[in-house]
Amino acid sequence: TQLLEQSPQFLSIQEGENLTVYCNSSSVFSSLQWYRQEPGEGPVLLVTVVTGGEVKKLKRLTFQFGDARKDSSLHITAAQPGDTGLYLCAGAKTSGSARQLTFGSGTQLTVLP
Amino acid sequence: EPEVTQTPSHQVTQMGQEVILRCVPISNHLYFYWYRQILGQKVEFLVSFYNNEISEKSEIFDDQFSVERPDGSNFTLKIRSTKLEDSAMYFCASGLAGGPETQYFGPGTRLTVL
Repeated sequence: TQLLEQSPQFLSIQEGENLTVYCNSSSVFSSLQWYRQEPGEGPVLLVTVVTGGEVKKLKRLTFQFGDARKDSSLHITAAQPGDTGLYLCAGAKTSGSARQLTFGSGTQLTVLP
Repeated sequence: EPEVTQTPSHQVTQMGQEVILRCVPISNHLYFYWYRQILGQKVEFLVSFYNNEISEKSEIFDDQFSVERPDGSNFTLKIRSTKLEDSAMYFCASGLAGGPETQYFGPGTRLTVL
C-alpha cells in the first residue's frame, strides 16, 4: 500500500508570509500531482511533476519533486488571502496501465489579511 | 477550457436503492476514473477504465459497484444496493493516454443514503 503523508495538516499565516507544505512517502511514484480543493467541490489541478528533482513554478507557487520521487513540496511566496484552501498531493503508482492516484490527507491553509 | 462534468450534483436515496452517477469526461481523454471522498477523509480511488474495460479497482469497488461507458461521451458509476456507508462525494476524473498521469476531476456528486 502506498501512503502519502502531508504536513502540516493545518497552517494559518499572515498575508505576505512564505510557507512550505510537504508531501512524503516511503514509496516511489511515477509522478506526483498537486491539487487545490474548495469545500464541496472537486480537486482542481495545479501541477504535475514527473522527473526526480524537477522544479515547476506557477506565479508565486513553486513545486519540487524529490530526487528519489518519494516526496514533494509546495512553496508559496508572499501568500495572499486568495491562496486560502485545501492543498492535496496525489501520487501515481509506478505499475499498471492506468495510474490510480493515492492522495494525501491535505493541508488546510488559511491566509489572514 | 474543457472540463469534466458530473450529474446530479446531489443525490439522496434510501438504503437498498440503486443509484447511477453520471460523468462526461473531457472529450479527447481515454482514461476514466471514479474516486470517492467520505466527509472529512481522504480522496480514495475506486476504479479506472480504459479501452472499454476496467483496468484497476480498489477493494472498495465490490460487486455492488459497476461502471459503464454506454456511448462515446458518458461514463457512469452504478451502485446496485446502496448502504449508509456509501454516503460520500463521488468524483469522476479523466486523463490522456500516454505521458504524465495527469487526471482532471469533475465537481463531484454528493450521495446521501438514508
